This record gives sequence, C-alpha cells and structure tokens, in this order.
Amino acid sequence: GENVEQHPSTLSVQEGDSAVIKCTYSDSASNYFPWYKQELGKGPQLIIDIRSNVGEKKDQRIAVTLNKTAKHFSLHITETQPEDSAVYFCAAIPAGSYQLTFGKGTKLSVIP
Amino acid sequence: EAQVTQNPRYLITVTGKKLTVTCSQNMNHEYMSWYRQDPGLGLRQIYYSMNVEVTDKGDVPEGYKVSRKEKRNFPLILESPSPNQTSLYFCASSLLGARSYGYTFGSGTRLTVV
Repeated sequence: GENVEQHPSTLSVQEGDSAVIKCTYSDSASNYFPWYKQELGKGPQLIIDIRSNVGEKKDQRIAVTLNKTAKHFSLHITETQPEDSAVYFCAAIPAGSYQLTFGKGTKLSVIP
Repeated sequence: EAQVTQNPRYLITVTGKKLTVTCSQNMNHEYMSWYRQDPGLGLRQIYYSMNVEVTDKGDVPEGYKVSRKEKRNFPLILESPSPNQTSLYFCASSLLGARSYGYTFGSGTRLTVV
C-alpha cells in the first residue's frame, strides 16, 4: 500500500518567517495530495490540495508544490503568524483507492 | 452548517464494557470513515464505508465494528474495549470519496479504557 513520510516532526519559526514541511510518497500512481491543519482540540481541516497534473498551487500565504518524478510534495507557509501554530498532516491517495494515507504530522510553532 | 458530529467528546470506560461512538453528517456524503490518532503514529484508518450497507476494513480494524444503515450515520462499536484502544478517534466524510473534495472531520472523541 501507499506509504507517506513527513518531515520534520516539529518545526519552530519566528513570526513573519517562512515554514516548509516536506512529504514523500511511495506509490507513483497516487494522484491527489491534500494538506490538513489540526488545531488543539479540533479535527483536521483541509487547507489546500494538489492533483498530479499540477506542479504548484497557491492560496494566499499557503502554497503546495509537487514533484512527481521524485515523489515528493511540500507545504510552504509564508509570513507566518501565531495562528498558524498547529499540527499539519500531508496525505496521498493510492491508485484505485478512496482512502487517504496520512503522514505522521508536523507540529508547527510560530514564536511571536 | 455543514458538519460531522461525533458523540461523546470524552469517554472513560472500563475494560470489556461495550460502547458506541456515534457519527453523523449532514452533507449527504456517500463516503464515511473512522480514524484513530495516537502520538507519533498519525492518523490510522479503522473502517470506511462507500455507501449504505457497504463497509470495509482499514489499516487497524481489530477490536472494532461499524455499521451503515443510513447514509448520514456511521457508528463505531467497541464490543469489548481494551486499554490499547485508548486513543483519539475521528470520524470523517467525503463526497465521492476523498479523491474529489477531501474529507470533513468531526471534532474527535477522546476515549480512555481503564
């Protein structure tokens, strides 16, 4: 089955700096890659996603890039703010499946 | 408001006492799923359902049961809970599966089995 590796497990940045979280996947046929943000005491919430026919997608301060050849994708958050502090999960959908396989998560702390 | 509602939010129980965690969605989603979240292990799928009366095992189904008698409801049943089922549980739903629109998650149920 699909295997998703996520790094780093923890990340601390100063407010205003950028944060980058990286994920790799194993199944070259995976074609949908969402990112979720989980705030304390809440369920994960979809913040951005990318499909395999696109190399980059932006939504205000958040961007995701995909390198199909290398089988990795990354989340970029610019001009970080304290409210960006949360656990972020990457995920991928294996070919022929509807099940998301998640990475183990990255705890992002934005220091004011 | 479109949402996935889980109950209860917190539950402490004793080993072997049957329990049910309810999940309901109001978005007419076909696909529903249960995950457990444990420190260092991320989110692992327990069971999923593609539609009414259609369920299948995820990655960690042992010790759990589910049913899908109605489209909106997908309860998680622990018939004989054990301490290793102490975890944070999430229900999620999706239209046409996560391939199209991504999952909507509930707020979670924190279960402690003593």
